[in-house]
Formats: sequence, C-alpha cells, structure tokens
Amino acid sequence: QVQLVESGGGMVQPGRSLRLSCAASGFTFSTYAMHWVRQAPGKGLEWVALISNDGSNKYYADSVKGRFTISRDSSKNTLYLQMNSLRGEDTAVYYCARVTSEAWLSGPFEFWGQGTMVTVSS
Amino acid sequence: QPVLTQSSSASASLGSSVKLTCTLSSGHSTYIIAWHQQQPGKAPRYLMKLEGSGSYNKGSGVPDRFSGSSSGADRYLTISNLQSEDEADYYCETWDSNTVVFGGGTKLTVL
Repeated sequence: QVQLVESGGGMVQPGRSLRLSCAASGFTFSTYAMHWVRQAPGKGLEWVALISNDGSNKYYADSVKGRFTISRDSSKNTLYLQMNSLRGEDTAVYYCARVTSEAWLSGPFEFWGQGTMVTVSS
Repeated sequence: QPVLTQSSSASASLGSSVKLTCTLSSGHSTYIIAWHQQQPGKAPRYLMKLEGSGSYNKGSGVPDRFSGSSSGADRYLTISNLQSEDEADYYCETWDSNTVVFGGGTKLTVL
C-alpha cells in the first residue's frame, strides 16, 4: 500500500534552515508528481510546492518562493523540502502528498503523509 | 487562479444528513475539485474527486454514506446517516497545471 512518511521537522530559530524528507513506498515513485502542503496551528491547508515526476519542473507558492526548494531522489524514493530563511509564519505541520494520476502535475491528493511539525521561534 | 469558498462551520444531528458546499470563483465554474476530511489531530484523508457534471470518484475505503454533487459553480459533499467519527474539518481542493488551491475548510459538528 502507498505510504508517505515525513521526517526532519523540529524547532529552529528565525533565519535558519531546515530540510524535510518524505520517504515514499508502495508505488513507483518516479512516475508521480509530488507536493508539499502545510497547515499552521489552528488554520487551514496551504499548498507549498510541487515537483514533476522527473524533477524537471518545480513550482512554489508565492509565500515561499525564493526561500524553499523542492527536490527528489528517485534512487531513494524520497522527496525533500529545503527551507531557508525561515520565519515565524512558516510554523506549521508539513505534509507530503501524491496526486491520483501519473499523467497530472497537479490534481486531487489521493495520498497524504502523517506530517512533520516545524516550529520557527527564537 | 481559482478561489474556493466554504462556510466555516456546520452542524447536524447524529443519524441525519448534512450537505457541505464549496463554491468556485467566477470564471472557474467548470473546475474539478476534491474533498478531503481531516479528523482532529490527524492528517487529511482523500474522500473523492468531483466534476462539474456531478460525477464523482471516491477514494479507497470511503463509506457509501459520502456522496458528491454539483450545480453550476457549487460543489457539494453530502454525508448521510451521520456518525460521531464524521465530526471533522472538511476541505475542498482544486488545481491549475502548476498550482493547488484549498478552500478555508468547514468544521462539522455532530450533535
């Protein structure tokens, strides 16, 4: 069965960096686009970034553009989110998610990880 | 890009039915959406993909009590025979080729 397991969250000071990982299993990782979505405490879901199946196309929400970088390693079946210049408003649970169809960059998120918490505070 | 509008809260009695609404912004009334359920303290769970025609495809294991329908720019999620475990936040989602948008979510209380 499809499994997405995030890791790498924690507490970090403003301005510092953190890298999140999402280990994927149960499907052919290299054929699906992947996304990061976050949820600030008590708030709704916010899309963060997407990467195409082969890593050639990457797109970001305006709120993280220039600070966050999405990447993937298909040899390790792992998705990453490098977060630089972190701010208090980046405090959230970060989820990785897979779309339903191999043919789509975006689309309904059929599978979600359990999330990893990132707290940005001094 | 599209905007999705949801009521912030809804309530219904145990065993009854409730219909949640997600409205697409002007110019985006034909967009496909998805519904997700998020129980307290848990990750979101995919419920279904819903087209403007009203046709929907549910995710694996989603009970028959959950159904979808559409009218114009409105997309609906109907939950029948409400159970206590249906008390959750419900989000609609839509997308363009390179971006994804969520509605603000509806908090459903089962009385």
